[in-house]
Amino acid sequence: ETGVTQSPTHLIKTRGQQVTLRCSSQSGHNTVSWYQQALGQGPQFIFQYYREEENGRGNFPPRFSGLQFPNYSSELNVNALELDDSALYLCASSFGGRYTEAFFGQGTRLTVV
Amino acid sequence: DQQVKQNSPSLSVQEGRISILNCDYTNSMFDYFLWYKKYPAEGPTFLISISSIKDKNEDGRFTVFLNKSAKHLSLHIVPSQPGDSAVYFCAASGDTGTASKLTFGTGTRLQVTL
Repeated sequence: ETGVTQSPTHLIKTRGQQVTLRCSSQSGHNTVSWYQQALGQGPQFIFQYYREEENGRGNFPPRFSGLQFPNYSSELNVNALELDDSALYLCASSFGGRYTEAFFGQGTRLTVV
Repeated sequence: DQQVKQNSPSLSVQEGRISILNCDYTNSMFDYFLWYKKYPAEGPTFLISISSIKDKNEDGRFTVFLNKSAKHLSLHIVPSQPGDSAVYFCAASGDTGTASKLTFGTGTRLQVTL
């Protein structure tokens, strides 16, 4: 059974550019969530996908968008990058039930300069 | 508006002693609570959870206590080991229909000393 994997692990982008982050869910999981963790803070919920449909969104602007594919892997896209987007982006997968734990990947460290 | 609060940014405990990490929440709709441990350069690792129908859950050295009336939960680690040194996050879910949308606290850094 493979865990949650994210790519790339580190990324440097320039303000105004676009970025795509990728996540492979743990085997058997049909739900993927994305979180942003700024320095010294806890992870903040961005959105969740369940069976390829968006299933909830946190307080993030529309320039944060995502996709989930039939194999339950996922992408997070961020357009028009701002300096404040610099953070650790975490992907978590789960079975999608109400009382199930989410399993996290190692994260992608995004730096916007 | 911080709905999940971990008021102690750091905690230092001697090896073998009990570590107690605390968490408070304000949203009465939360009904499932989790603790995660995070090492540097790694993602959070699930430790233990508790639903609101229980007041205690144990898993080996880890026990989570939930006091719904006080909107407070705590994680006890007994005995503490040097490998427990990490940042611990409290998380809660249940305020929306979205499964596993987690609201996290800001974390408590635990250092277990020899």
